[in-house]
Amino acid sequence: DSGVTQTPKHLITATGQRVTLRCSPRSGDLSVYWYQQSLDQGLQFLIQYYNGEERAKGNILERFSAQQFPDLHSELNLSSLELGDSALYFCASSPTGPSYNEQFFGPGTRLTVL
Amino acid sequence: GENVEQHPSTLSVQEGDSAVIKCTYSDSASNYFPWYKQELGKGPQLIIDIRSNVGEKKDQRIAVTLNKTAKHFSLHITETQPEDSAVYFCAPPDFNKFYFGSGTKLNVKP
Repeated sequence: DSGVTQTPKHLITATGQRVTLRCSPRSGDLSVYWYQQSLDQGLQFLIQYYNGEERAKGNILERFSAQQFPDLHSELNLSSLELGDSALYFCASSPTGPSYNEQFFGPGTRLTVL
Repeated sequence: GENVEQHPSTLSVQEGDSAVIKCTYSDSASNYFPWYKQELGKGPQLIIDIRSNVGEKKDQRIAVTLNKTAKHFSLHITETQPEDSAVYFCAPPDFNKFYFGSGTKLNVKP
């Protein structure tokens, strides 16, 4: 158990809908990262937050947004969903700011868009 | 990832043999080189990492070697066991962005 929790574990929705994925980092970790993993694909970095502020952006679509709250939990919002958004979404956390630290991954949220 | 190449994409070995996975990166400023293991249905987990001031690091059956001049680092697993079967990713940070390699699916045959 990495100490990172993600809810829900599974999510099934329809095209055009909007969903919110939630992540609670390990106690004391200030950085949260979001990744997308499509079937048999690698991990695509989406975005990083550090202590409530956006720190780095990867291949995140404009239909996606995220935020980190004062209690350090984070939410990833996916809107106008398309079939191709079906994937595993992982959240990870690390103790300090950018880079150079182990990331602890949550168990993931499996999103299915029908 | 954009700046990371990982080879091979699949690797099948007999139990007890060694396995080597190579990762090539482009950002010469990188100074942290981790390897993650992802078991089926789980999130990735760090198994070993190395910093740029060190050329090699070992942890029991796992080792990582770094060649900064050639910009590549490799994961070595000796005396492989069936529980080593998983997907392995390298993930050298590129100035706050995290480009994971495409992954190597390792299958250890009993």
